[in-house]
Amino acid sequence: QKEVEQNSGPLSVPEGAIASLNCTYSDRGSQSFFWYRQYSGKSPELIMSIYSNGDKEDGRFTAQLNKASQYVSLLIRDSQPSDSATYLCAVPTPANTGNQFYFGTGTSLTVIP
Amino acid sequence: KAGVTQTPRYLIKTRGQQVTLSCSPISGHRSVSWYQQTPGQGLQFLFEYFSETQRNKGNFPGRFSGRQFSNSRSEMNVSTLELGDSALYLCASSFSVTYGTEAFFGQGTRLTVV
Repeated sequence: QKEVEQNSGPLSVPEGAIASLNCTYSDRGSQSFFWYRQYSGKSPELIMSIYSNGDKEDGRFTAQLNKASQYVSLLIRDSQPSDSATYLCAVPTPANTGNQFYFGTGTSLTVIP
Repeated sequence: KAGVTQTPRYLIKTRGQQVTLSCSPISGHRSVSWYQQTPGQGLQFLFEYFSETQRNKGNFPGRFSGRQFSNSRSEMNVSTLELGDSALYLCASSFSVTYGTEAFFGQGTRLTVV
């Protein structure tokens, strides 16, 4: 089992719809979770971090965390064509004392105008 | 506030050569990590530096090495390049080494080995 797993997609949603991106992780002790957005040919950009069970909202983005199920998701409301990108889920490694993460392989999202 | 700066942005090298990539973290950030991104393997951790010390190293051969300078700038070196080293090399900057600290990526260096 991989440390972080995501559906690779591609996921297609119409403009204005809600896009739901999912991530599961294997280490039950993980406490921090991050979502990155990566446009084609560009580097990953941090868009959300979540540390506690429940929902965290930032504009059109909502991160949801369920530690019991080892599941974290990202919802994008009112999806726009500019949201078309690959979304990466990241979890600090168990021995992490800083800047080291496991990344999922990413979910490719296409928002259709 | 300037972001993470990586140079050069693009490199083409021949098998057997060596290459050095540079990363300047966000001002005030002292932790720098390096990742390799390929279509088949995704993002894989190479190594992490904090206060000029390598703290962690990923599962890469010894041809991959790095260092960090007193101003937190970091370099990574790949010797005896192989075709499989073609990838996007990303540098990530963090303020500290506290668990859960957010990391911010530079634009990356795209290395092509021919």
